[in-house]
Amino acid sequence: QKEVEQNSGPLSVPEGAIASLNCTYSDRGSQSFFWYRQYSGKSPELIMFIYSNGDKEDGRFTAQLNKASQYVSLLIRDSQPSDSATYLCAVNSYNQGGKLIFGQGTELSVKP
Amino acid sequence: DGGITQSPKYLFRKEGQNVTLSCEQNLNHDAMYWYRQDPGQGLRLIYYSQIVNDFQKGDIAEGYSVSREKKESFPLTVTSAQKNPTAFYLCASSSGLAGQETQYFGPGTRLLVL
Repeated sequence: QKEVEQNSGPLSVPEGAIASLNCTYSDRGSQSFFWYRQYSGKSPELIMFIYSNGDKEDGRFTAQLNKASQYVSLLIRDSQPSDSATYLCAVNSYNQGGKLIFGQGTELSVKP
Repeated sequence: DGGITQSPKYLFRKEGQNVTLSCEQNLNHDAMYWYRQDPGQGLRLIYYSQIVNDFQKGDIAEGYSVSREKKESFPLTVTSAQKNPTAFYLCASSSGLAGQETQYFGPGTRLLVL
């Protein structure tokens, strides 16, 4: 089992819809969870981080964390074509001294 | 402007050649990292450093070397021992390695083999 798993996609949604990106992790001691957006050929940029169970909202983005189920998700409301990118989930690994472990990313395509 | 710079943007390596990728940050961050990204893949950790003159191997350190002589700089050398170096190399930094610190990335260097 990979330490951090994401569906590779592509996930295709129409403009204005809600995009839901999911991530599961294996290390129960993980404490910090990050979502990065990566446009093709560019470096990752941080969208959100979440530490506590529940929801965290920032504009059109909502991160959801469920530590009991070892599951973190990112919702993008009112999706725009400019949201088309690969979204990387990253989890700090308590068992590896706090290093970030990245999932392979989910490619999102928002169709006009 | 505070940030992380990487150079060059593109780098070409000949067989048997060592090449060095530059990474500089002016964020006053203690920790710095090097990742490798292959097409359609996530990031894999090559080396990381928490303080000056100290660094640790990541998951795929073979064929790579680093130094951390200054807080601001963390260059990566891709040696001839790395048989498949073609990839996108990303440098990152964070204020620490305690687990909650956010990592910020430089623009990356794309390495190609001639």
